[in-house]
Amino acid sequence: EPEVTQTPSHQVTQMGQEVILRCVPISNHLYFYWYRQILGQKVEFLVSFYNNEISEKSEIFDDQFSVERPDGSNFTLKIRSTKLEDSAMYFCASRGEGQLNEKLFFGSGTQLSVL
Amino acid sequence: AQSVTQLGSHVSVSEGALVLLRCNYSSSVPPYLFWYVQYPNQGLQLLLKYTTGATLVKGINGFEAEFKKSETSFHLTKPSAHMSDAAEYFCAVSSYNTDKLIFGTGTRLQVFP
Repeated sequence: EPEVTQTPSHQVTQMGQEVILRCVPISNHLYFYWYRQILGQKVEFLVSFYNNEISEKSEIFDDQFSVERPDGSNFTLKIRSTKLEDSAMYFCASRGEGQLNEKLFFGSGTQLSVL
Repeated sequence: AQSVTQLGSHVSVSEGALVLLRCNYSSSVPPYLFWYVQYPNQGLQLLLKYTTGATLVKGINGFEAEFKKSETSFHLTKPSAHMSDAAEYFCAVSSYNTDKLIFGTGTRLQVFP
């Protein structure tokens, strides 16, 4: 089965630094998402992206966050100035054309640790 | 607004025993309901989903779930656990007018020989 790939699997950064989390969605997919899970808490929606623009975003996704599809294959999440509370597992997901709530394919996540 | 509650952060069963993972939801619109599974070092995989129609939904690996509107529940079951079922299971809710999934906190299933 095709896979969503996320790199790196684990990233450590200092508070205040910028980080970019990278994702390669499944090649013919058009809808892209970022979710995150703080240790012991729920998986939370951050943002959805379609046709080179944000479709929906949560309250968490403030001005410190941005997403980009810089080329035809990558989908990135940038955190401009990381905070301790940004430490979490970040999941990228994608899906193909079709109705809302069609099957999402998730990557295995990037564990971000902010020190 | 929508939310999901998964009762029991950890569930342990013996191999061959019934698996029951509980999920209750809250939704102001007709819900779409999902179960995802996460094996160690892997991404979340869709086990099954309910959108409309038949309330008993069958998924992969012998799992099934039943949508009970009167109980606002979508519990996941499997008649006979296998060692390979050990994983984290997430219940999620959405609806027809959003592409966003609202997840529960997850239930870690352990299977003992």
